[in-house]
Amino acid sequence: DGGITQSPKYLFRKEGQNVTLSCEQNLNHDAMYWYRQDPGQGLRLIYYSQIVNDFQKGDIAEGYSVSREKKESFPLTVTSAQKNPTAFYLCASMAQSAHSNQPQHFGDGTRLSIL
Amino acid sequence: AQSVTQPDIHITVSEGASLELRCNYSYGATPYLFWYVQSPGQGLQLLLKYFSGDTLVQGIKGFEAEFKRSQSSFNLRKPSVHWSDAAEYFCAVGVYNNDMRFGAGTRLTVKP
Repeated sequence: DGGITQSPKYLFRKEGQNVTLSCEQNLNHDAMYWYRQDPGQGLRLIYYSQIVNDFQKGDIAEGYSVSREKKESFPLTVTSAQKNPTAFYLCASMAQSAHSNQPQHFGDGTRLSIL
Repeated sequence: AQSVTQPDIHITVSEGASLELRCNYSYGATPYLFWYVQSPGQGLQLLLKYFSGDTLVQGIKGFEAEFKRSQSSFNLRKPSVHWSDAAEYFCAVGVYNNDMRFGAGTRLTVKP
């Protein structure tokens, strides 16, 4: 079955530590996205990538970094500069469209907490 | 700027009752609209989408939504709610450059 796999499901970070969240898709989608979800705030876009080796900042990119070396992979690093990283992180992918009319497909998320 | 508003943060309905979740959008061009559902600790699942044509669209799990351009609305409905429908529901609009904007979500509680 095609889909998006996020790992790990739960992750704990110590103060001053960088952690990396994995996102892999086998849907052959060009575009991939990272969102942060906090209670009552919906989804906020962190980074997105529409093609390999290229990515753009979203609304809340500070304290995060990404890479897109392969079409199927879009890992997110939460750096020590992100002072409030506790949240639920969702990865999504989408088939490219000239009209922005394709839905995004989501993984099951990673919950990050501070030790 | 493009935006989506879901006026109701939390709604409680009795099992078997009808449901309507509200969504209003702000977008200058033809909107591409979506409803997603999220169970606790899970990702978002697509319920239905509107691109053009018939303004009443059918989705999975017995849901439907009606696009009303004059009201800038895309409300989600279900005639009879089941306990398993308890979840968070997100309305979204597809904007230029393959971006998507989400509402803040409406949490649905189903009373037995």
